[in-house]
Amino acid sequence: ETGVTQTPRHLVMGMTNKKSLKCEQHLGHNAMYWYKQSAKKPLELMFVYNFKEQTENNSVPSRFSPECPNSSHLFLHLHTLQPEDSALYLCASSQGGEYETQYFGPGTRLLVL
Amino acid sequence: AQRVTQPEKLLSVFKGAPVELKCNYSYSGSPELFWYVQYSRQRLQLLLRHISRESIKGFTADLNKGETSFHLKKPFAQEEDSAMYYCAFPKRGLDSNYQLIWGAGTKLIIKP
Repeated sequence: ETGVTQTPRHLVMGMTNKKSLKCEQHLGHNAMYWYKQSAKKPLELMFVYNFKEQTENNSVPSRFSPECPNSSHLFLHLHTLQPEDSALYLCASSQGGEYETQYFGPGTRLLVL
Repeated sequence: AQRVTQPEKLLSVFKGAPVELKCNYSYSGSPELFWYVQYSRQRLQLLLRHISRESIKGFTADLNKGETSFHLKKPFAQEEDSAMYYCAFPKRGLDSNYQLIWGAGTKLIIKP
């Protein structure tokens, strides 16, 4: 499959569960991003990785833990989430330059009960 | 602070009418600017960028440095233009990599 893929597409979890979101890009990009998209808030950048190194953490709570084992894969580990964490989580990748397009995955729709 | 402002959360126009989605930025230099679009049940994707100066799906955007604006325009709206539109510009991160500063988005509804 080409482009940016995300699994699972939908996830329902309780507040005590541990789950992980997976993102994979097949574009040869070196930068990968996690975003949170909520119905009532603007698109929120969570984490940025460049060549597997985390370069940005926009004050995200520690119950979200990213992992980037290589330039093609990005994970978001979830633990003891709150109902307000329910949202669409988007992964994106790019070459990281000023004029580079970000390519987005389809997102994981997360519901925390 | 670097910021992108999209003042309209929702814009509703009739098919065939002109469309203008507003975007203002706060940045001291001459930024590259982007418009991204998200159609219903589709992924967020690039619509157009300032540097390319191209027209995509009939949309154009002109950078006005005096007004610090990058409004998105289309002379005749079509129903398939209904979507969520985001304005964004790149900000240099700690490691010289770039991330995007996003506006809040404008939901465009084209009425038949």
